Formats: sequence, structure tokens, C-alpha cells
Amino acid sequence: QQQVKQSPQSLIVQKGGISIINCAYENTAFDYFPWYQQFPGKGPALLIAIRPDVSEKKEGRFTISFNKSAKQFSLHIMDSQPGDSATYFCAAYPSGSARQLTFGSGTQLTVLP
Amino acid sequence: EPEVTQTPSHQVTQMGQEVILRCVPISNHLYFYWYRQILGQKVEFLVSFYNNEISEKSEIFDDQFSVERPDGSNFTLKIRSTKLEDSAMYFCASNPRTGLDTGELFFGEGSRLTVL
Repeated sequence: QQQVKQSPQSLIVQKGGISIINCAYENTAFDYFPWYQQFPGKGPALLIAIRPDVSEKKEGRFTISFNKSAKQFSLHIMDSQPGDSATYFCAAYPSGSARQLTFGSGTQLTVLP
Repeated sequence: EPEVTQTPSHQVTQMGQEVILRCVPISNHLYFYWYRQILGQKVEFLVSFYNNEISEKSEIFDDQFSVERPDGSNFTLKIRSTKLEDSAMYFCASNPRTGLDTGELFFGEGSRLTVL
């Protein structure tokens, strides 16, 4: 029940295209859904996050779509750039705990020039 | 910009040896975490620490693991007797958990542990 399932495992997109990564969860106690970006040799860094009281959040080229009833959320990267090439992890925080992040399995995004 | 710093960046050890990984969290943060990432796999929670004690720990965090905040700045992870399967990247993270808490964890760059 603590799992966050992420797909696809890898994604190749042309420069300027849209990258879409999907995640699903089961635990209804999750109440905070961040996306982390990780470059090789670096730690994960927060990219964008959403709470379940909204269905969408946009920051620049990055948008999270959230479907509470389906228990799914997704990351859309518009106008994808080669510099976006990284591993992306969705994650979730459960309420009522020390708020440890549960990570998805990660998506390795490659944006071709 | 304040950051979480970790040392060493890479440690190679023999199976059965003790290892200590060190972290300096961001100075005004109150919650500290250790996560690990086996090569090519997802980031997994190990332990959270607040007010000088463990808040939560995962099934991975067995008796071979311990954490400590020996002074006002360092936060350490000790593995008493390393096993081959402990080979991973270990990330320290911190979180302010104040009224302005956005829920963001700030991660260090990690310490790569290789057990031979």
C-alpha cells in the first residue's frame, strides 16, 4: 500500500516535444506529491509538487496533473530540451507520519537534440 | 545557497567492515533523513531523525544500521558489519519542518558505498 508505481521506465523524446511520465498510488493517506529530478552523480532535487486539493499545477514548462479519484498523477514537460535529460522520480508523502518520501521507480528521460 | 554536504563521496570497504557516512544538514533544518539508492533502482527510505531520536525507520534499517547526531552539525549513518548488498548510493536529506514547510526534502549529493 506504500508503493508508488511509475511508468515508463525510460523515455526518449525529440527536442521540442512533450515528455509525459505517469504515476499511480494506492495509499489514500498520501497528501503531498512531489517530482524530483536527478542528474547523474547528484542527489534528487525537487522539481515541482502538488497537493490533492488541486488538479493541476504549472511551473514554467513543467506541469503536474492530478486525478484524485483515479489515484494517479503525471508530469508533463513541454518543449523538452536536451538539458532536461535526467532521471525523474515521482514521490508521495503520507500524512500522520514522519513524512518520509516514498519514491517511484524512476524514469530515465533522454531528449534528443 | 545552503546545501546538504556528505562525506565521503565514495568509500570502498571489505565485507564485514564498519562504515560511517557523514552528513552536514542545512543549519536551520530540524528533520534529517537517510535514503539509499541501489544502482539503477529507486530511492528507498531508511530512517528519519528528529530531536535527537529516530522518528521512523524502514525494514531495511535493521540492527546493522545506526544513526547519530554527535554534535550540533553532523548527522552520521553507521553500518556495523557491511554486506555485499549494502553497496549503494546513500543520500542524506534534511527538511526545515517549520510553519513555512513546503514539504521539500533537500538532498545531498550522496556517498557511494562499494562493498567488496
